[in-house]
Amino acid sequence: DIQMTQSPSSLSASVGDRVTITCRASQSISSYLNWYQHKPGRAPKLLIYAASRLQSGVPSRFSGDGSGTDFTLTINNLQPEDSATYSCQQSHSTPVTFGPGTRLEIK
Amino acid sequence: EVQLVETGGGLIQPGGSLTLSCVASGFTVSSNFMSWVRQAPGKGLEWVSIIYSGGYTSYADSVKGRFTISRDNSKNTLYLQMNGLRAEDTAMYYCAKEYGSSSVFDSWGQGTLVTVSS
Repeated sequence: DIQMTQSPSSLSASVGDRVTITCRASQSISSYLNWYQHKPGRAPKLLIYAASRLQSGVPSRFSGDGSGTDFTLTINNLQPEDSATYSCQQSHSTPVTFGPGTRLEIK
Repeated sequence: EVQLVETGGGLIQPGGSLTLSCVASGFTVSSNFMSWVRQAPGKGLEWVSIIYSGGYTSYADSVKGRFTISRDNSKNTLYLQMNGLRAEDTAMYYCAKEYGSSSVFDSWGQGTLVTVSS
């Protein structure tokens, strides 16, 4: 199975800041990398698919980049509602696997 | 609007059985690839099982032989029957719809909590 890691495991930032979360795959997954946002008691939400494609309805302050083994999720102009856990997922090989998540706190 | 609503979670003793349901609206379950994904306390998301539109099923090694995924087309509902439950099965269980056959989950339910404890 492909192992996914994320860094940092948690971070705190202020409204208006820009933050970057990193995801790394244990082997090359081309651009088969997706990002999800999840909040307690809520359905997880697809943000980015195929490494850099913004899911319909997701604000343009979210962006993704990378290919191969290293990927980033960047959130510009942080908003209070961005407080959540962000997880990456590889869709290159079965079984699909997820990163451990990055918890983002808005100060 | 696509909506997924899971039910059936609860507190169950080790070795017990539980069946989770996921009622879908806004799309047809049988025409899509549907998965169960879980998140144990303090852990990341873990894919559990999938049922393909053709009816073929697949499972994570951690649940193979104990869990069964199925669907009722007349009720547009996905199920996960869980037998031989273990403490390590304690998690929030989500049903999720794939976008085509991409292994990208474009719709999720809000989850149902399963706690395995004596």
